[in-house]
Amino acid sequence: GQQVMQIPQYQHVQEGEDFTTYCNSSTTLSNIQWYKQRPGGHPVFLIQLVKSGEVKKQKRLTFQFGEAKKNSSLHITATQTTDVGTYFCAGPLTGGGNKLTFGTGTQLKVEL
Amino acid sequence: EAQVTQNPRYLITVTGKKLTVTCSQNMNHEYMSWYRQDPGLGLRQIYYSMNVEVTDKGDVPEGYKVSRKEKRNFPLILESPSPNQTSLYFCASSWKPGYEQYFGPGTRLTVT
Repeated sequence: GQQVMQIPQYQHVQEGEDFTTYCNSSTTLSNIQWYKQRPGGHPVFLIQLVKSGEVKKQKRLTFQFGEAKKNSSLHITATQTTDVGTYFCAGPLTGGGNKLTFGTGTQLKVEL
Repeated sequence: EAQVTQNPRYLITVTGKKLTVTCSQNMNHEYMSWYRQDPGLGLRQIYYSMNVEVTDKGDVPEGYKVSRKEKRNFPLILESPSPNQTSLYFCASSWKPGYEQYFGPGTRLTVT
């Protein structure tokens, strides 16, 4: 079964509201990457977190890597219509060799 | 311009008719992967390659083959496609497995 789950699967927000997606793995991750896929497009890399408890910010986006390296979150402050898309977490599972496992994704829709 | 290219972008075929989807990258990356994307399941890794002549199974390799004869190319082969292989396929490359992945534009495959 799927080893990396994301919740929620879908989220509709009004422009200006905050948004958070959570990524949970059944196994520890060597690192965590986040990608954004616009409708009809391909995934584009956003950021990578490596250390336990790490927090990184990119303008309105805040990324966290859990202390146990099994979960992560992406928080967007004051969403804009340009934030529309599907957000994926991904990472090499510890003991998974060189495979890269993606989460199930969270689709964000932003309404004016 | 750094890029990953895939061809064809769209393909409709019939059950059992062998097909190849090509993938090429111009960044001299060692690591290349193939993913399939299905609603609710995110991106699942089919096969990956650490370098020329080095390939390994991802999470969903059944029904697929790959080869890596040159560093820049990583074709995906479906020897006998079946309807359950109808999906959106992405090729990706990176320096190493845990590094930023660069994705191609995607190939939408329909098997009837």
